[in-house]
Amino acid sequence: NAGVTQTPKFQVLKTGQSMTLQCAQDMNHEYMSWYRQDPGMGLRLIHYSVGAGITDQGEVPNGYNVSRSTTEDFPLRLLSAAPSQTSVYFCASSYISAGELFFGEGSRLTVL
Amino acid sequence: RKEVEQDPGPFNVPEGATVAFNCTYSNSASQSFFWYRQDCRKEPKLLMSVYSSGNEDGRFTAQLNRASQYISLLIRDSKLSDSATYLCVVRGDSNYQLIWGAGTKLIIKP
Repeated sequence: NAGVTQTPKFQVLKTGQSMTLQCAQDMNHEYMSWYRQDPGMGLRLIHYSVGAGITDQGEVPNGYNVSRSTTEDFPLRLLSAAPSQTSVYFCASSYISAGELFFGEGSRLTVL
Repeated sequence: RKEVEQDPGPFNVPEGATVAFNCTYSNSASQSFFWYRQDCRKEPKLLMSVYSSGNEDGRFTAQLNRASQYISLLIRDSKLSDSATYLCVVRGDSNYQLIWGAGTKLIIKP
């Protein structure tokens, strides 16, 4: 059972570099989202999407870009990495009408 | 004040004991509440939703107190495998945005 698949699991970047975190789900969920998790803080929503072609900003969108060209994929792009973006990133998906979010295994990003 | 607050712990509890922890939320208009469990260096997973009348799932009981704006999680007969961080989640004004607590760490000792 694939569920939500995130890649890469680990990444080290230098300040100013760009990269894309990939997220794919095979559950036909309408809703997909990206969170970051930092020590001592709750998960914070970066961007979310309620369907192909529809995206919106969450709580901490600055420095990140997303697109949703298909139901299955929701990549997160870091435009110019900064040390403040060092974090663990989770992609999550769900049916819009349901309460349960299904998460990927996480991507650990370090920006030097 | 944070929108969702939890005691970070850790709660160190002997195996077989009962443990309870609370989570307070600031938005009185919040409609949906959840407990998620997160194992060390893993992704969060839904433990249970919290209903207005309270609900039970095996050894786990969740309750909602709207007047005082908190939800609680009670774990009975705790097992070593219950060791994890428990995340309180509240759905706020927007149907698409969840507000997450920072989590309560629970350590069950043999």
